[in-house]
Amino acid sequence: QSALTQPASVSGSPGQSITISCTGTSSDVGNYNLVSWYQHHPGKAPKLMIYEGIKRPSGISNRFSGSKSGNTASLTISGLQADDEADYYCCSYATSTTSFYVFGTGTKVTVL
Amino acid sequence: QVQLQESGPGLVKSSQTLSLTCTVSGGSISSSGYYWSWIRQHQGKGLEWIGYIYYSGNTYYNPSLKSRVTISVDTSKNQFSLKLRSVTAADTAVYYCAREVHGDYYFDYWGQGTLVTVSS
Repeated sequence: QSALTQPASVSGSPGQSITISCTGTSSDVGNYNLVSWYQHHPGKAPKLMIYEGIKRPSGISNRFSGSKSGNTASLTISGLQADDEADYYCCSYATSTTSFYVFGTGTKVTVL
Repeated sequence: QVQLQESGPGLVKSSQTLSLTCTVSGGSISSSGYYWSWIRQHQGKGLEWIGYIYYSGNTYYNPSLKSRVTISVDTSKNQFSLKLRSVTAADTAVYYCAREVHGDYYFDYWGQGTLVTVSS
């Protein structure tokens, strides 16, 4: 199972909106509404930001939103803030013939 | 608030067995509805799911690692463990433990991760 493809880096100024894409295949992203997104500040525990493609866990700001079109899922961060600077990973359920999960390659978000 | 903490040797010799433990606090590992996973990240690369265990002992492993992996659980200590046999330099990575919501396919709590380096 190949990793999901994410852009290596995305940047934006405070207050702007950015979108991170996560491209898979019809065996993972395209076939299931089971994409999750994680924020990772180096040295800390990764944090769940979005699950089931569009749902936010309790306590996560509504500045974070998820969507999907075909084999590509997306995470949008609106009203960018300094603390949003981190690595972001997507993850999708995949077929059980391989690994249950496939992760994205990761995107470094920089707040200018 | 559930917390997970990985522990174990940071250095393992090639061909030996990597052993890590994840201690869960703020919740019971025996709670129904959760699987307990190990995930790793090679330096500068993406994440790789290794496998999970249910408190009953049921396991499922990534087929790419299945022949070398064992995950076990100790409910009395609220811990679960990873053993990876016959390690090579390719197993050098940061290893994370995480809780998966059963049937919903996402990880709602993670540990901070621990770096394991395989030396020759």
